[in-house]
Amino acid sequence: DSGVTQTPKHLITATGQRVTLRCSPRSGDLSVYWYQQSLDQGLQFLIQYYNGEERAKGNILERFSAQQFPDLHSELNLSSLELGDSALYFCASSVDWSDTQYFGPGTRLTVL
Amino acid sequence: QKEVEQDPGPLSVPEGAIVSLNCTYSNSAFQYFMWYRQYSRKGPELLMYTYSSGNKEDGRFTAQVDKSSKYISLFIRDSQPSDSATYLCATLRGGAQKLVFGQGTRLTINP
Repeated sequence: DSGVTQTPKHLITATGQRVTLRCSPRSGDLSVYWYQQSLDQGLQFLIQYYNGEERAKGNILERFSAQQFPDLHSELNLSSLELGDSALYFCASSVDWSDTQYFGPGTRLTVL
Repeated sequence: QKEVEQDPGPLSVPEGAIVSLNCTYSNSAFQYFMWYRQYSRKGPELLMYTYSSGNKEDGRFTAQVDKSSKYISLFIRDSQPSDSATYLCATLRGGAQKLVFGQGTRLTINP
């Protein structure tokens, strides 16, 4: 157990819908990262927050957004969902940007 | 061209064999190198973390980095069925926040 928690474990929804994925980092970690893992693209970095502020952005679609709250938990919002958004979404946390990233168990999103 | 290239396999070897997993990367700015292990339906877990060229050993696992050829390797000695998983190499550029992953190699150790 990495200490990073993610909810829900599974999400099944329809195209055009909006969902929110939640992540709680390890105690003491200030940095939260979101990754998307699909069969064809592998594990891709989406976005990073550090102590409430956005620090780095990867190939995150405009339909996706994230935020980190004062209690350091983070949410990833996915809107206008498309079939191609079906993937595993992982959250990771670290003390700071250069430190080891610990991954949560992931949320499996299925868009029908 | 992907920044980190990794043969996705699958790779199947008998128990007790030495396993060699490899990645190449294209950006000489990458300074930190990691190997993650991912079991089916689980999140990646960090196995090895190296900074410089050379070897780093941890039990049955040895990570090797050759910056001159931009080549990173993971060796598993005395492989066990419990080592069956997908192994992902990853790099981190100094000053950057994002990990860049290889595609992952699916490894099966047969009893």
